[in-house]
Amino acid sequence: GAVVSQHPSRVICKSGTSVKIECRSLDFQATTMFWYRQFPKQSLMLMATSNEGSKATYEQGVEKDKFLINHASLTLSTLTVTSAHPEDSSFYICSARWGGTDNEQFFGPGTRLTVL
Amino acid sequence: GESVGLHLPTLSVQEGDNSIINCAYSNSASDYFIWYKQESGKGPQFIIDIRSNMDKRQGQRVTVLLNKTVKHLSLQIAATQPGDSAVYFCAENRGYSTLTFGKGTMLLVSP
Repeated sequence: GAVVSQHPSRVICKSGTSVKIECRSLDFQATTMFWYRQFPKQSLMLMATSNEGSKATYEQGVEKDKFLINHASLTLSTLTVTSAHPEDSSFYICSARWGGTDNEQFFGPGTRLTVL
Repeated sequence: GESVGLHLPTLSVQEGDNSIINCAYSNSASDYFIWYKQESGKGPQFIIDIRSNMDKRQGQRVTVLLNKTVKHLSLQIAATQPGDSAVYFCAENRGYSTLTFGKGTMLLVSP
């Protein structure tokens, strides 16, 4: 089956620093990648959708200047949390989809971000 | 974003029982639905899906039922096992683009 990886799996950083999270599709080309955020005991909330080679589309209420998304290749998307604060601490999950909108999304294992 | 409580609904069952997890979806225009299983500290894992032109679909030990009239989705797990313990989310696909996840239900299976 299709495999999506994330790196790192866990990161702790100081308030005010920036953190980059990578999402890779290992055995398929992902034309679209999605970034979700999940707080404890809550559901996944879509942050943004990124298509390879174009700007990401952010959901309402998600600051594009704070959560920088780059989808430079068909197998890699990155999410950079800039000037992180404790309230950004969360579980960040990416998913990837190949081809058309009718296709399944494959989820990564998630990245636990803790901002001190 | 959507406001949700800090406590997930929980379903506790004994090993071997059948489990039924329910989900109400919001958009009558949604035409594709998926159930995911999420274990602690991991990403969601696909279980089963159903399109709006169907009302039932069966997989291995799992069945999904869709009632479009009342916008209700259910996941039935037969002969529940301790390994089934996890949080289960339904997700709806609006216009074949993005997924919207439901609030989730924690399933606890006792040996």
